Amino acid sequence: GENVEQHPSTLSVQEGDSAVIKCTYSDSASNYFPWYKQELGKGPQLIIDIRSNVGEKKDQRIAVTLNKTAKHFSLHITETQPEDSAVYFCAADPTGTASKLTFGTGTRLQVTL
Amino acid sequence: DARVTQTPRDKVTEMGQEVTMRCQPILGHNTVFWYRQTMMQGLELLAYFRNRAPLDDSGMPKDRFSAEMPDATLATLKIQPSEPRDSAVYFCASGIGRTSTDTQYFGPGTRLTVL
Repeated sequence: GENVEQHPSTLSVQEGDSAVIKCTYSDSASNYFPWYKQELGKGPQLIIDIRSNVGEKKDQRIAVTLNKTAKHFSLHITETQPEDSAVYFCAADPTGTASKLTFGTGTRLQVTL
Repeated sequence: DARVTQTPRDKVTEMGQEVTMRCQPILGHNTVFWYRQTMMQGLELLAYFRNRAPLDDSGMPKDRFSAEMPDATLATLKIQPSEPRDSAVYFCASGIGRTSTDTQYFGPGTRLTVL
């Protein structure tokens, strides 16, 4: 089955700096890669996703890059703000229908003033 | 703003008691997932349904856990009998179930504590 590794487990950045979280996956058939943000006491919320037919996707301050050859994908947050502080999860899915998401172990991002 | 709802939000029970958690998927979504989240194991998929039929429950301990969808607007996860090791946050998620456009939308979770 799929195995997703996520690094780092914790990340502290100053407000305004960039944050990068990296994930690797094992199943070359995986073709859907979402990122979720989980705030304290809440469920994970989708923030951005990418499918295997593109290498990069941006949404305002958030971007995701995908390298299928190396089987890794990354989340980039620019101009970080205190409200970006949360736990971020990457996931991979080989079905294309978001039916078999395998999640990474999460990255706790702390944005300090 | 369509959302997945879950009840109860918090549940404290004693070992051996039956626990029932409920989920209302987003209207029109035909795929429902149950996850368990713990510090040690992270997010684990327990089971998922499409069009109310169970497609995969390989992540669920069969002897004490059961998941059902009595109708398209309600999914349930039962634990009987509950054990302290079942203490976790249980999330329900729903999706449309179509290729190339689907994703999963999570509910707020049920925090279960088994004493």
